Amino acid sequence: SQKIEQNSEALNIQEGKTATLTCNYTNYSPAYLQWYRQDPGRGPVFLLLIRENEKEKRKERLKVTFDTTLKQSLFHITASQPADSATYLCALDEASNTGKLIFGQGTTLQVKP
Amino acid sequence: NAGVTQTPKFQVLKTGQSMTLQCAQDMNHEYMSWYRQDPGMGLRLIHYSVGAGITDQGEVPNGYNVSRSTTEDFPLRLLSAAPSQTSVYFCASSYSTGGGNSPLHFGNGTRLTVT
Repeated sequence: SQKIEQNSEALNIQEGKTATLTCNYTNYSPAYLQWYRQDPGRGPVFLLLIRENEKEKRKERLKVTFDTTLKQSLFHITASQPADSATYLCALDEASNTGKLIFGQGTTLQVKP
Repeated sequence: NAGVTQTPKFQVLKTGQSMTLQCAQDMNHEYMSWYRQDPGMGLRLIHYSVGAGITDQGEVPNGYNVSRSTTEDFPLRLLSAAPSQTSVYFCASSYSTGGGNSPLHFGNGTRLTVT
């Protein structure tokens, strides 16, 4: 079955630097891949969706790439701020068009001032 | 719009007790789902529904029942609570029914402790 791997170790960076988070999946390549942000005690909040035929998607300081050959998505936050500190989750369909959206474990980002 | 509303926010149960976690959305979304989130395990899909009258199992369905009699509501029932069901439960909805092509809107969760 489809598995999603995100680095479970926290990522600590200095304010102003670019944070790069990785999402790898194991089996079939999904048509869409999503990224979410989760703050402690809250539900995940949607950030970006990228389609398989899109190499890159941007939204303000956020950028997502999608490489179906490597089975990998990268999530970048440029000019990071302490307010960007949170856990970031990637999600995709478990199999083709099942409606079962599964999530990675998430990577916690800590931006230090 | 209130979005996705979950009740209660916190609940403590004794082993063997039953309860229903409520979830309602006011966005007219066809797709609704339940996840549980445990430390080190991430979000795991329990059950989901692609429309009223239609439900299906996710990754960890055992010990949980669902029904979808209306578009708005998707309650999750624990028939006989076990300590292993101690977790944070999230309900989510989206306007599309498959393929991961629309974002999920999450509630703020129910924190359940089973003693």
